Amino acid sequence: DAKTTQPPSMDCAEGRAANLPCNHSTISGNEYVYWYRQIHSQGPQYIIHGLKNNETNEMASLIITEDRKSSTLILPHATLRDTAVYYCIVAGGTSYGKLTFGQGTILTVHP
Amino acid sequence: EPEVTQTPSHQVTQMGQEVILRCVPISNHLYFYWYRQILGQKVEFLVSFYNNEISEKSEIFDDQFSVERPDGSNFTLKIRSTKLEDSAMYFCASSAQLFTEAFFGQGTRLTVV
Repeated sequence: DAKTTQPPSMDCAEGRAANLPCNHSTISGNEYVYWYRQIHSQGPQYIIHGLKNNETNEMASLIITEDRKSSTLILPHATLRDTAVYYCIVAGGTSYGKLTFGQGTILTVHP
Repeated sequence: EPEVTQTPSHQVTQMGQEVILRCVPISNHLYFYWYRQILGQKVEFLVSFYNNEISEKSEIFDDQFSVERPDGSNFTLKIRSTKLEDSAMYFCASSAQLFTEAFFGQGTRLTVV
């Protein structure tokens, strides 16, 4: 699986958009970009995923660059409950759904 | 909303004892996983399971570990002879198809003393 690089931490004001970047320059054509988050020590929670098109759901938007070497997760109106560790994961290809978690980005949402 | 259920939430065991961690995946899902997270460290993949057999496993998943789907609803992780370093949070996950969202349980905290 391709490696991802994320900033270790970010801050965001409540009510503002949180934009979390991720680099995945070695991604291959049949690999997806996934975003999960983990609040405290709870089980990871799926947020969104995409292959090459931008995606949006009720939680977030995923913007993938045209060359697919980087992506941005956007939480449009961050709340205090969005404080968590956010993981950008590249997976697919020949794996059987295995997710390789890195250290992620600790997002802290301030009042 | 459907969810993955894990029991127990916390288990304490003595070193050398066998433990079985239990999971009830979402009912129509076909792919099942175990992950673990040692305190303060990354979430690590252990094993994936499909069609009643292991499809992929990590280096961590050695002969001390085994998985089973004994009936149509449960998915278990057995550690035959626990070591202190097996202390971790163990997460079960399931997905309906490959390359779709995986749903994680709330985890079992295993403490080996």
